[in-house]
Amino acid sequence: AAGVIQSPRHLIKEKRETATLKCYPIPRHDTVYWYQQGPGQDPQFLISFYEKMQSDKGSIPDRFSAQQFSDYHSELNMSSLELGDSALYFCASRETGEPGNTIYFGEGSWLTVV
Amino acid sequence: AQSVTQPDIHITVSEGASLELRCNYSYGATPYLFWYVQSPGQGLQLLLKYFSGDTLVQGIKGFEAEFKRSQSSFNLRKPSVHWSDAAEYFCAVLPISGTYKYIFGTGTRLKVLA
Repeated sequence: AAGVIQSPRHLIKEKRETATLKCYPIPRHDTVYWYQQGPGQDPQFLISFYEKMQSDKGSIPDRFSAQQFSDYHSELNMSSLELGDSALYFCASRETGEPGNTIYFGEGSWLTVV
Repeated sequence: AQSVTQPDIHITVSEGASLELRCNYSYGATPYLFWYVQSPGQGLQLLLKYFSGDTLVQGIKGFEAEFKRSQSSFNLRKPSVHWSDAAEYFCAVLPISGTYKYIFGTGTRLKVLA
């Protein structure tokens, strides 16, 4: 079965650079979530989109932005990177109306800021 | 305040022993409940979920969890642990409040002794 695809899987950037992470949800899923998981931490919700519109916002820094495109894929743009942005970034997707409202996670994108 | 608590940060069990990981939530109404497992450097894999019906749910890899409304708990169990079960386990809730934002517990790291 198709899963959530994230790219790149690994990314190394220097401080103050910009990074873009991409997420391709499971086909027919209309909602995308972004989570950030720091070393030894639990996943923290950043932002979500439903039908290409932002549906909820969590602890996303102002330096970050995200959007969902017409094909439902989503991109997380991170600017002025800081060392503390080094983390595993998860994308997840959900199909509205699925019993239990389960979200399915991608494998994550490792961002290392040096 | 709404919260998800996993009281045990680390648990160590011997291979073949039984396992129970605790999860308590604090919400006005019963949320949707999930358990995810994360192996080192990997994404989050759904083990099982509860949203209605039978309070004992079966998941993958021989795991089960029991929802107890009176205790606001959703503990994960496995009768006989295998060495490959060593991982981090996250309890997550989805409040039934109209915002589909998953909240994760802080995780329990399981170590399995041979």
